[in-house]
Amino acid sequence: GAGVSQSPSNKVTEKGKDVELRCDPISGHTALYWYRQSLGQGLEFLIYFQGNSAPDKSGLPSDRFSAERTGGSVSTLTIQRTQQEDSAVYLCASSSGLAGGTDTQYFGPGTRLTVL
Amino acid sequence: AQSVTQPDIHITVSEGASLELRCNYSYGATPYLFWYVQSPGQGLQLLLKYFSGDTLVQGIKGFEAEFKRSQSSFNLRKPSVHWSDAAEYFCAVAPSSNTGKLIFGQGTTLQVKP
Repeated sequence: GAGVSQSPSNKVTEKGKDVELRCDPISGHTALYWYRQSLGQGLEFLIYFQGNSAPDKSGLPSDRFSAERTGGSVSTLTIQRTQQEDSAVYLCASSSGLAGGTDTQYFGPGTRLTVL
Repeated sequence: AQSVTQPDIHITVSEGASLELRCNYSYGATPYLFWYVQSPGQGLQLLLKYFSGDTLVQGIKGFEAEFKRSQSSFNLRKPSVHWSDAAEYFCAVAPSSNTGKLIFGQGTTLQVKP
């Protein structure tokens, strides 16, 4: 079946612009995660959605970052007023949501964001 | 705070040689531990995970890992490395049974010499 998909695969933007990154999880997966992978910081957790529960936003680095998940499926990560330090690969993952901490997360290919 | 340390940033081994990638974690309770691999241009793929039971876990592609509570370690091993194993390897811990959010180590890049 189809895996996690992300779009766009690459995004180049100018400092100060807003960007939206999209994630389509595996069908039926109730848990969805966003991570950021950058040279200086490695792989960092950003936000976690599980079903209808309030999202865990504890990893969002600033209030310029937000995410939503519509209809329990597609998710959009929005970065407002982008800064050069936002340049990174943004990874989305989904899991069944059935096993909490032991769930296997399936990762998408990522969106490479470059802020000029 | 929970943390994961991969002491080796870069490792080079010869094809056919054995491999061990180190991972140490800092966590109070029984951790849920994972190893993921990221090949060039590919997404992260789960190799194996541990959350209870037998401390030696088998994974895909011939990898195994051993959980040692006394050493707070979860090292990844493979008896004979193939050129296709060249990739970046990440150890991760899920700090809670209620959330799947992962804390990753910095990663170890494996280079395989012919």
